[in-house]
Amino acid sequence: AQTVTQSQPEMSVQEAETVTLSCTYDTSESDYYLFWYKQPPSRQMILVIRQEAYKQQNATENRFSVNFQKAAKSFSLKISDSQLGDAAMYFCAFIPLGATNKLIFGTGTLLAVQP
Amino acid sequence: GAVVSQHPSRVICKSGTSVKIECRSLDFQATTMFWYRQFPKQSLMLMATSNEGSKATYEQGVEKDKFLINHASLTLSTLTVTSAHPEDSSFYICSAGTGGNNQPQHFGDGTRLSIL
Repeated sequence: AQTVTQSQPEMSVQEAETVTLSCTYDTSESDYYLFWYKQPPSRQMILVIRQEAYKQQNATENRFSVNFQKAAKSFSLKISDSQLGDAAMYFCAFIPLGATNKLIFGTGTLLAVQP
Repeated sequence: GAVVSQHPSRVICKSGTSVKIECRSLDFQATTMFWYRQFPKQSLMLMATSNEGSKATYEQGVEKDKFLINHASLTLSTLTVTSAHPEDSSFYICSAGTGGNNQPQHFGDGTRLSIL
């Protein structure tokens, strides 16, 4: 079975500080894509960052970066210089290459940003 | 680019009513769209995969006759909740991809369905 696990139901960070959200996954596939999505109170799903499994270099998007450890099947998200607008539910997800484009989501981490 | 529009954003109706939700890809063609259901403080649960010009593929446990999906064109998929009951109240979200597993899915803004 292919699963995504987010072990932190809730996290809190001070504004301007750094926080890391954890994600592990289980798959027998060797090629796949990993994503982090953000869902603010408005409920819209917003893509934060993505990573191709065949790339060793960790993806970075401005204040967002990932620590991708393929052997450990770990895909954590680091948010630097946290802002109030970063408060949201964050979902880790992946798609196995060659599958039917079906995203497999984790259970989410609710991030609170304290002023 | 890659905008997905979902309509309506909020529906409140009486039990027994059928409700149609539309999902449109505004600036790209989507051969495949996905319908999710999300309960409060929970993750997205895939309900079905909508394929243009063919029957939808439903996930295990999702009633095909309850949740009718039509994907008549490359830019429009609809989800109809037939004879809705209070237990069908939920947040429904659609998504579409521009093609290939390496391309991220783009999500609509969701529809909050409340059945009285």
